[in-house]
Amino acid sequence: SQQGEEDPQALSIQEGENATMNCSYKTSINNLQWYRQNSGRGLVHLILIRSNEREKHSGRLRVTLDTSKKSSSLLITASRAADTASYFCAPLIQGAQKLVFGQGTRLTINP
Amino acid sequence: DAGVIQSPRHEVTEMGQEVTLRCKPISGHNSLFWYRQTMMRGLELLIYFNNNVPIDDSGMPEDRFSAKMPNASFSTLKIQPSEPRDSAVYFCASSIRRDRNNYGYTFGSGTRLTVV
Repeated sequence: SQQGEEDPQALSIQEGENATMNCSYKTSINNLQWYRQNSGRGLVHLILIRSNEREKHSGRLRVTLDTSKKSSSLLITASRAADTASYFCAPLIQGAQKLVFGQGTRLTINP
Repeated sequence: DAGVIQSPRHEVTEMGQEVTLRCKPISGHNSLFWYRQTMMRGLELLIYFNNNVPIDDSGMPEDRFSAKMPNASFSTLKIQPSEPRDSAVYFCASSIRRDRNNYGYTFGSGTRLTVV
């Protein structure tokens, strides 16, 4: 399977708390990408981490990658109501030319 | 840049009718992808193009579906004849393919198709 598997399927936290979502995949990758989808909208690219990188930051987002465990995590710090969305990880498998998306994590930030 | 532009935003059609969805990718992007999203099946990749050439159409569900990319700035996804089970949100995305890697995708806003 070329897709990532997100965990948990759903996450509900209070505004201001940190949210952590995990992703696992099965084969060697070139890079791994995280996307956000607000209800009724298209996916928005958040961050890309290459296979030779271990951690990357973008604003309140922190992504880690452990290629030995074939896993990645997305941390959103100081969550806001506007962060409510579905989050998808998409590993770009070596030799592949396409991204295959899993079911995502539905994140709800409660005010 | 206006991003990836899809039209129409909403389409309601009767079973058996032909439906054409349109996509204008970001200028300079050389890969284009068509996805379909439903609650039951999530996001499914239907077909993708590199440099206007179809590379993998294994996700196209049936012969009723066809896609073309006549030039770098335009692609269509056609369903003929349409069926109620084709009801979904169809997304187009484009990206830059460089050094055998595809980088971040930019998605359009989608076309919500309802077949009655």
